[in-house]
Amino acid sequence: AQSVTQPDIHITVSEGASLELRCNYSYGATPYLFWYVQSPGQGLQLLLKYFSGDTLVQGIKGFEAEFKRSQSSFNLRKPSVHWSDAAEYFCAVGVGRSQGNLIFGKGTKLSVKP
Amino acid sequence: SAVISQKPSRDICQRGTSLTIQCQVDSQVTMMFWYRQQPGQSLTLIATANQGSEATYESGFVIDKFPISRPNLTFSTLTVSNMSPEDSSIYLCSVGTRGYNEQFFGPGTRLTVL
Repeated sequence: AQSVTQPDIHITVSEGASLELRCNYSYGATPYLFWYVQSPGQGLQLLLKYFSGDTLVQGIKGFEAEFKRSQSSFNLRKPSVHWSDAAEYFCAVGVGRSQGNLIFGKGTKLSVKP
Repeated sequence: SAVISQKPSRDICQRGTSLTIQCQVDSQVTMMFWYRQQPGQSLTLIATANQGSEATYESGFVIDKFPISRPNLTFSTLTVSNMSPEDSSIYLCSVGTRGYNEQFFGPGTRLTVL
C-alpha cells in the first residue's frame, strides 16, 4: 500500500541554521511528490513539487528538495532558516496521474529558536 | 494557482446537528477534493467531487454522513451530518490541476462539535 513517512514529529532549529526535513515514501510506480507548509490557523501552501526530470527541485521561500529513487526519499532542505518558517510541514505523494489522491505524511512541526 | 475560499472559517456545533461547508474557487476547475484533518493528525481524503456526477468517496467515508454537492465548476459543498464530537476536525477543500496530482488548498473550516 502507498504510504508516506515523516520520521521526525517535531524539530527545533536556531534561526540562521540549516534545515533538513525527512520524507520517505512507498509507492510502486513513478511518484509525484510534494511538500506543503501549514502555518498556524492557515490552509496548506504548496512549497514545491517533483514530477520528473531534475531530481533537485527548487521551491518558494528558499526551500529545495531532492528526490532519491534508490532511497525512496524526498527530503526538504533550506540553508538558513528564518523565524517565519516555523510551521508544520507535510510531505505527500500523488497516487495515479489522474486519480488526484494525495497521500500525506503525518507532518513535521518546525520550531525556530531566536 | 487558484484562489480558494471556504465558509465558514470555523464553527461550534451541537451533537446531532449538521453543518454545510462551502468552497468557492475563482476559476473553473474540473476536480475538487475534500479532506479532513483531525486534531494533531495529517490530512485524509474524504471524497473527490466532479461537476455533474456523483462524488467518489474514500474507504471509511460514506455519502449519508458526508453528502457533497458540485453544482458548477467553481463551487462545492460538504455537509457533515448528524455530528458527534469525533467529527471535530479541520475540513479542507482543494482543487486539482495538471493531471490532478497538483492540488491547491483552501484555508480550511475548523469544526468543533460539543
